[in-house]
Amino acid sequence: KAGVTQTPRYLIKTRGQQVTLSCSPISGHRSVSWYQQTPGQGLQFLFEYFSETQRNKGNFPGRFSGRQFSNSRSEMNVSTLELGDSALYLCASTGNVNTEAFFGQGTRLTVV
Amino acid sequence: AQKVTQAQTEISVVEKEDVTLDCVYETRDTTYYLFWYKQPPSGELVFLIRRNSFDEQNEISGRYSWNFQKSTSSFNFTITASQVVDSAVYFCALSEEGLGGGTSYGKLTFGQGTILTVHP
Repeated sequence: KAGVTQTPRYLIKTRGQQVTLSCSPISGHRSVSWYQQTPGQGLQFLFEYFSETQRNKGNFPGRFSGRQFSNSRSEMNVSTLELGDSALYLCASTGNVNTEAFFGQGTRLTVV
Repeated sequence: AQKVTQAQTEISVVEKEDVTLDCVYETRDTTYYLFWYKQPPSGELVFLIRRNSFDEQNEISGRYSWNFQKSTSSFNFTITASQVVDSAVYFCALSEEGLGGGTSYGKLTFGQGTILTVHP
């Protein structure tokens, strides 16, 4: 069974640009969550999508957005990038009942 | 609001020593779920264990064991006879009951993590 796949693995962007990250969940999983990991703030929940609907949202500015497609694949977008957005972005997929979240290897975003 | 505290920032041990990672949580929910994840240098979070709030039975799995105590809001993790391959960052996490009674395992509150280094 394939795991959670995140693309790209590494990304360098310039301040002010926008970026889109992609996540393909484990087959059959309908929930996808996104997390930001930084040395200062640790792991912070961004949002969760379930069946194409945002189910939960963390405390991040509106520049951070996401969506989920009918095949459960998810994308997150960050507009007007700031230096502080440099982080490891992790995606997790969760099954329907009584399962834990399985994480991808993440996308390391560097904003210069 | 929920909170997870891992007071130990870094732990350094020599191979074959036992090591315990502490986790204390705060939540107002009566139903919640606790997790431990391991993050090796590759970056991927690897699931280790899940425990429900209504199940205080402790668990042993090989060299790993977990001690869940609701009375002290703690969910500690012990590695027996540590090995170099155990070196990683370990995270404790909490998930509360979601809307409509269903638990959203996807929304996790993480502790700050404990960096474990096992020296040969």
